[in-house]
Amino acid sequence: DQQVKQNSPSLSVQEGRISILNCDYTNSMFDYFLWYKKYPAEGPTFLISISSIKDKNEDGRFTVFLNKSAKHLSLHIVPSQPGDSAVYFCAASAGDSSYKLIFGSGTRLLVRP
Amino acid sequence: AAGVIQSPRHLIKEKRETATLKCYPIPRHDTVYWYQQGPGQDPQFLISFYEKMQSDKGSIPDRFSAQQFSDYHSELNMSSLELGDSALYFCASSLGARNRRDLNTEAFFGQGTRLTVV
Repeated sequence: DQQVKQNSPSLSVQEGRISILNCDYTNSMFDYFLWYKKYPAEGPTFLISISSIKDKNEDGRFTVFLNKSAKHLSLHIVPSQPGDSAVYFCAASAGDSSYKLIFGSGTRLLVRP
Repeated sequence: AAGVIQSPRHLIKEKRETATLKCYPIPRHDTVYWYQQGPGQDPQFLISFYEKMQSDKGSIPDRFSAQQFSDYHSELNMSSLELGDSALYFCASSLGARNRRDLNTEAFFGQGTRLTVV
């Protein structure tokens, strides 16, 4: 029973366009969400996070949107660059005393030059 | 900047053998997490430590144990290895598991140890 779901295993976009990666969750106790990027043979790299008290967080080309009522978050990358090609994991955690991250299955993004 | 260091990077063991994976967190980080990522699967949380005490436990088999030492490095001990234990094992570290909304306590991952059980 997956608590964090990334229903699109892959996404291909043209360089310069917007990439939108989606993530859904089922556990209403989740209150902190993160996006990680992972290259082959490397550990996940933290990208951006959002607390449940916000609905948007922006950092340069990366913006995360949170829709609590829909239990949905998305990562927008604009403009997309070929170096953004990687696997993107959505992760969530619940509660102040735990940092147990629950990961989604990942979305492989390919940015075409 | 110093990152999370994991050793070894690759490890090949036979069934029923034991393995020890090591994790050296980012300096001043006091929290360590272990994750297992099987082939084609998402990372699964195993266990975490805060200030040398176990802080959370996930889907860690009884054959596995872990601890965090006084210098905050952590070791994951795996015994009676099975073929299904073949996976990438990631360690992550962060600062202060409790006040994460006030501090930038995102977890930073190491490059992982690839364990192959034959």
